[in-house]
Amino acid sequence: QVQLLQSGPEVKKPGASVKVSCKVSGNTLTELSIHWVRQAPGKGLEWMGGFDPDPENGGTVYAQKFHGRVTVTEDTSTDTAYMELRSLTSEDTAVYYCAIDMPLNWFDPWGQGTLVTVSS
Amino acid sequence: SYVLTQSPSVSVAPGQTARITCGGANIGSKSVHWYRQKPGQAPVVVVHGDSDRPSGIPERFSGSNSANVAALTVTRVEAGDEADYYCQVWDSDSDQWVFGGGTKLTVL
Repeated sequence: QVQLLQSGPEVKKPGASVKVSCKVSGNTLTELSIHWVRQAPGKGLEWMGGFDPDPENGGTVYAQKFHGRVTVTEDTSTDTAYMELRSLTSEDTAVYYCAIDMPLNWFDPWGQGTLVTVSS
Repeated sequence: SYVLTQSPSVSVAPGQTARITCGGANIGSKSVHWYRQKPGQAPVVVVHGDSDRPSGIPERFSGSNSANVAALTVTRVEAGDEADYYCQVWDSDSDQWVFGGGTKLTVL
């Protein structure tokens, strides 16, 4: 059974960057497509981006809202995926989730979430 | 960009049937997935591919999708079903994954 374990909470100042990790167990990262979804306090789910198996897309795909500010990477030697978000503002305060993109483009399972707080 | 519209809230009495809808342009041509999220927890898929239930999800949960509306139906609602429910699709035209705004199911 695949499980995703995310890194701990972060507190960042406006303008800084944050990098959240997501370690895979029960399978190898090369067999999976990891995506990232965030949820601001009291708000809904917001897809950010992830790995796209379609080679025409260069391996990654991002939500138009975050394009240029977010980068997803992976380290297959440690089966760990990463999401880096730059130029943080208070509106980036949210719980960030990693999740596996299934063949018909639904997410299962999800990581436990990582709270990122942006505050001066 | 593709937009999914959900009503903010649905309230039902225990034992009754809850229907949560998700509207989108020609959504019937897409594969719709539904998630349940309880406070402080990560989302869990309850229906995928319009109407398929993962193992462990009760038969009380069912999905449908046609024309411009998809729906999640929960029969014989229990107190434990109280949660936020989100629909989600992959928009092939833009290669974007899209969530609806979420519906809070309240069990009276």
